[in-house]
Amino acid sequence: GAGVSQSPRYKVTKRGQDVALRCDPISGHVSLYWYRQALGQGPEFLTYFNYEAQQDKSGLPNDRFSAERPEGSISTLTIQRTEQRDSAMYRCASSLDLAGGTDTQYFGPGTRLTVL
Amino acid sequence: DAKTTQPPSMDCAEGRAANLPCNHSTISGNEYVYWYRQIHSQGPQYIIHGLKNNETNEMASLIITEDRKSSTLILPHATLRDTAVYYCIVRSGPGGATNKLIFGTGTLLAVQP
Repeated sequence: GAGVSQSPRYKVTKRGQDVALRCDPISGHVSLYWYRQALGQGPEFLTYFNYEAQQDKSGLPNDRFSAERPEGSISTLTIQRTEQRDSAMYRCASSLDLAGGTDTQYFGPGTRLTVL
Repeated sequence: DAKTTQPPSMDCAEGRAANLPCNHSTISGNEYVYWYRQIHSQGPQYIIHGLKNNETNEMASLIITEDRKSSTLILPHATLRDTAVYYCIVRSGPGGATNKLIFGTGTLLAVQP
């Protein structure tokens, strides 16, 4: 596609439910990143992948958060037993490669998650 | 990762140059300075990056001091569409130890008509 796409764009869920957020990176991009952004704050790193390998998950706040990218393309961020404090904008980004070039990260439009 | 310090907000008149400062006094030798911006609720957008030399592209210029402890992003002719939050980020360069971006709170640039 032309850019990074994310779905759903908006998700409202009740506390305790599981949610799955999807990211479709730019075609051919090796690296994929997940960030979370609270209102009025800059994005906060969660995790990233090179191809299907999860390289860094140091930003995942607790074990209710997990991510996968099984075929090295589309990625899913899953939040189990959601809590109100999980409400935020979840942003995905992708970049071409990590070995050369600018490694510019291109961001998607985000998924606005609201936990009631 | 090195931390950056930016003013929380700045104003600029339309058509004038906008100069956005950033302090990164703890930057290490292999770390680059990156600038991103975020317009309203859109995703962050890459602007420019540099290591030690000044850089220019179609969007902006980046001036890095000789000691690399601070930098300035210059938008030569600001327009209303440049109103955004501008983030200065220090990170490893391509192929470095980490690829994650650590955003601070940035500078809200308001371009006035």
